[in-house]
Parts: sequence; structure tokens; C-alpha cells
Amino acid sequence: AQKVTQAQTEISVVEKEDVTLDCVYETRDTTYYLFWYKQPPSGELVFLIRRNSFDEQNEISGRYSWNFQKSTSSFNFTITASQVVDSAVYFCALSESLANAGKSTFGDGTTLTVKP
Amino acid sequence: DAGVTQSPTHLIKTRGQQVTLRCSPKSGHDTVSWYQQALGQGPQFIFQYYEEEERQRGNFPDRFSGHQFPNYSSELNVNALLLGDSALYLCASSLASIGIHEQYFGPGTRLTVT
Repeated sequence: AQKVTQAQTEISVVEKEDVTLDCVYETRDTTYYLFWYKQPPSGELVFLIRRNSFDEQNEISGRYSWNFQKSTSSFNFTITASQVVDSAVYFCALSESLANAGKSTFGDGTTLTVKP
Repeated sequence: DAGVTQSPTHLIKTRGQQVTLRCSPKSGHDTVSWYQQALGQGPQFIFQYYEEEERQRGNFPDRFSGHQFPNYSSELNVNALLLGDSALYLCASSLASIGIHEQYFGPGTRLTVT
């Protein structure tokens, strides 16, 4: 069975601080996909990134970066120089295959609050 | 270019009643997935529709059913509502040829069962 754990329920930082959101996953599959989504107060989930199990390269997109480590089954997300607009709930998700990504298992989310 | 739209925004129903939620996918998308998100939890996959057929289903009882129309819009029906069905229901659309990972989510329908 697949499982995604986001141990940090809530995180509060002051603007311009760096923050890392943790994600630990469990799966028996050798091929799987990991995702991060952002859910602002409006409610819409916004896709941020997808990673497959064969690609452990870290990725950076502007102030966002992701650290995928198969050895520790973790897929952590770092926001550099946080801004108030980053305040949202962030979800990590796991899917057994790209075709079945609609059946992703989500973590319970981390609520990030960035204070001015 | 309209994104994913859902109606209604909010809904209050009584236990035992039936409810229908609606979703219009992003223009050009042909696949619709439905999720249930309880308060404080991550979304849970209900089912997915493609070419007017249910293609995948999560661990939800038969009280949850759906439909996809020729214009790709979709409905989620829930019968015999329980208090535990209170949640945010999210619809996501994608294009089958690109893959489900490129999902676009709607703002959701907040269902409250009393």
C-alpha cells in the first residue's frame, strides 16, 4: 500500500526566510511518480512539480527547489526567500504510474503561513 | 481560455438526500477526475471519466456515481448522504494524450450534510 507522510502540519515563517516542507513516502513499486501541489485559500489545487522514480536530480524553479532522495524515500520542497503570497496548504502526492496519476495518494498537507 | 469550473460553490443537504455536483473541464481537455477532500486532509480520488466511461475508481462506495457527457463535462452524484460525506469536492481535468499528471483543478464544491 502507498502512503505519504507530511509530518509538519503547520509552519509559520517571517517573510524572506527559507522554509523546507518535508515529504516521506512508502511504496512497493519500483516505478512511481511524486508530485507537489499548492492549495491557496481559494481552494484550487495548483500543480507545482512531478518527479519520476528514475530521476533523482534536484530541480530548481525560481525560488522553489525540490530534493528527491530515494535512499530515504523523501521528496522535500524548499521555498527560498519566502513571500506572503506563498501562504497556502502544500500537498505531496504519490502515484504508482503516470497513467494512474489520477489515483494519487496525497499526504495530509502542510499549512504554510508567511508573515510580513 | 476558461479553466475548470464547478457548480454549485456551496451546498447544504440533509442526511439521506441525494446531491449532484457539476464540472466543466478546461477547454480542450477530455478527461475528468473527481476527488473528495475532508477538512484538514489531502484529496482522495473518487473516480475518473474518459470517453463517457468510468476508467478508474478509488475506494468509494457505490453511493458515489458519475457521468461524463459528450462535451466532456461531468457530474458527480452521491446518494443516501451521510454526515461523513461533508467535504470539498474537487474536479480536475486533463488531456488523455498528455497524461493525467497535467491536471487542472477547479475551485471545488463545498458540501455540508446536516
